[in-house]
Amino acid sequence: DTAVSQTPKYLVTQMGNDKSIKCEQNLGHDTMYWYKQDSKKFLKIMFSYNNKELIINETVPNRFSPKSPDKAHLNLHINSLELGDSAVYFCASSPRRLPGNTIYFGEGSWLTVV
Amino acid sequence: AQSVTQPDIHITVSEGASLELRCNYSYGATPYLFWYVQSPGQGLQLLLKYFSGDTLVQGIKGFEAEFKRSQSSFNLRKPSVHWSDAAEYFCAVGIFPSGGSYIPTFGRGTSLIVHP
Repeated sequence: DTAVSQTPKYLVTQMGNDKSIKCEQNLGHDTMYWYKQDSKKFLKIMFSYNNKELIINETVPNRFSPKSPDKAHLNLHINSLELGDSAVYFCASSPRRLPGNTIYFGEGSWLTVV
Repeated sequence: AQSVTQPDIHITVSEGASLELRCNYSYGATPYLFWYVQSPGQGLQLLLKYFSGDTLVQGIKGFEAEFKRSQSSFNLRKPSVHWSDAAEYFCAVGIFPSGGSYIPTFGRGTSLIVHP
């Protein structure tokens, strides 16, 4: 009954490869996010979708491409992986795109690029 | 643009001691204010949030936070820390944007270390 689930939890891959991280939420929320957490624990928002529509696209290399097939899913595809992409990627959701809404996070996907 | 500052990168306390984690925000009006906790290897979980009303907010796991408008602060407190409280703590703010899309803003986090 996990609210926000993302797979895989751990991913080790070589530079230049393409990989995807999948995310699903069963909370019925309208809004989903991808965050990147670096080694210093800093959380940076990458993308936000509202009802399958891209709302926020922060300064992220275009090697990162989100896809939302429906409002319960938001996948992240990364092309031509680089060493600097190593981080923890969190999927999250909130009921709506409003400042008072709580954000519910998945457990994270640990990406290591070697 | 709004910002949130957590001045302390690391805080070390002994088990059973009291705890206060600092958070300051920069915004003209009162924003929504949140504290989240991230246990090792886990995602973030909401501890408590505030927008209006009583300035002392109770949360889960025995945590509370006090909003002080004059100091633009929303500090997190716990009277007696348990070893299981060792985690990363994030303060976050939410405001209605004057233009553009709403972006949840997180502080850089404070790492709590608990000594036995």
